[in-house]
Amino acid sequence: EADIYQTPRYLVIGTGKKITLECSQTMGHDKMYWYQQDPGMELHLIHYSYGVNSTEKGDLSSESTVSRIRTEHFPLTLESARPSHTSQYLCASSDWTMSSYEQYFGPGTRLTVT
Amino acid sequence: AQTVTQSQPEMSVQEAETVTLSCTYDTSESDYYLFWYKQPPSRQMILVIRQEAYKQQNATENRFSVNFQKAAKSFSLKISDSQLGDAAMYFCAYRSALASGGGADGLTFGKGTHLIIQP
Repeated sequence: EADIYQTPRYLVIGTGKKITLECSQTMGHDKMYWYQQDPGMELHLIHYSYGVNSTEKGDLSSESTVSRIRTEHFPLTLESARPSHTSQYLCASSDWTMSSYEQYFGPGTRLTVT
Repeated sequence: AQTVTQSQPEMSVQEAETVTLSCTYDTSESDYYLFWYKQPPSRQMILVIRQEAYKQQNATENRFSVNFQKAAKSFSLKISDSQLGDAAMYFCAYRSALASGGGADGLTFGKGTHLIIQP
């Protein structure tokens, strides 16, 4: 079944640790996105990609980095986690067809940095 | 830059009744897309309804319909015959029709409206 997956769903980690949040989609979409959802529920685009080897920063500045080596995989990395990184991270994807501008979202990763 | 405003942090409605969620947006573009997304307590965001700005006809999906007023930059969501499963956060979102870089391809979200369904 075509879908978008995120792991882990929940992560509690200490300050200074390096973490990678995984996102994979089986829909063959070229475009992928990362959104950060703060405790007040507001969502902000932090990274996006148009395809393999393409990565761009979004509207909200983030200390995280992303990579896109394979079409289906778009991991997000924090080199040194801090309490200010505590948030919900949502991954999404969409395709290029003009008839479809819908973004499909993963279930999210809730990150807590202590 | 575009902005999306949802002025109702929380709405409550009796089961089987109708509720309308408000959304306004600000843009200088003439071609864009508007969406309503639903985020239930399980957290997976799902699309409820989509409206293309160039279409005058309001979009409808079963019990969900929109009132799109382009000149007023208003995009409200009406939920008819509310069901317990409709309880969720609802986000209004904007997406430029321009398929270029510079962040133009991501969604700009409102702050959300928490919809409560009372049995």
